[in-house]
Amino acid sequence: AQSVSQHNHHVILSEAASLELGCNYSYGGTVNLFWYVQYPGQHLQLLLKYFSGDPLVKGIKGFEAEFIKSKFSFNLRKPSVQWSDTAEYFCAVKGSGNTGKLIFGQGTTLQVKP
Amino acid sequence: ETGVTQTPRHLVMGMTNKKSLKCEQHLGHNAMYWYKQSAKKPLELMFVYNFKEQTENNSVPSRFSPECPNSSHLFLHLHTLQPEDSALYLCASSARDSGLVETQYFGPGTRLLVL
Repeated sequence: AQSVSQHNHHVILSEAASLELGCNYSYGGTVNLFWYVQYPGQHLQLLLKYFSGDPLVKGIKGFEAEFIKSKFSFNLRKPSVQWSDTAEYFCAVKGSGNTGKLIFGQGTTLQVKP
Repeated sequence: ETGVTQTPRHLVMGMTNKKSLKCEQHLGHNAMYWYKQSAKKPLELMFVYNFKEQTENNSVPSRFSPECPNSSHLFLHLHTLQPEDSALYLCASSARDSGLVETQYFGPGTRLLVL
């Protein structure tokens, strides 16, 4: 069965620090990969997605993620975080094809101190 | 952001009440979803509708009853809920994009408290 694991449940950083949030998945076939963000009091928004091609994907607000197929990983990175990046981050995986379900990790809460 | 709207945003109900959650998408999508988001747990997919037809029921108790009258509207009818059903209920919609990757867009959710 598909599963997604986010290793860091709560991360606290100071502004300008670099960020890397881990995401590993378990799935036997071709996957589509997503990172969503949920800012306090707001709805889930798509940060970036990977479906094929260049494994390094760039998203909004300076975020990027790298798909490493051999490690079943899709880690999220940002070189310098801002206070406004404080939010909850969700990794999600979907098996390719119309019937694949979107499976979410349990989320990582990022707190950026000014 | 008004792509996917949900009403009400907050709901408090007793275990004997009947209530409904409403979701509307303005994105021209053909698939709609209900998710349950509980504290410290991954989002749980509840139901999927594709072109108004239910294509997924993820072993959801019958006290939750979805309805999809058209591709733009989705309801979740609630009756005789339990306190453990208290959660944030999220609606999402999707359509195939040019890259053939189905991206889901989420509404703000309804925060439900069952007393």
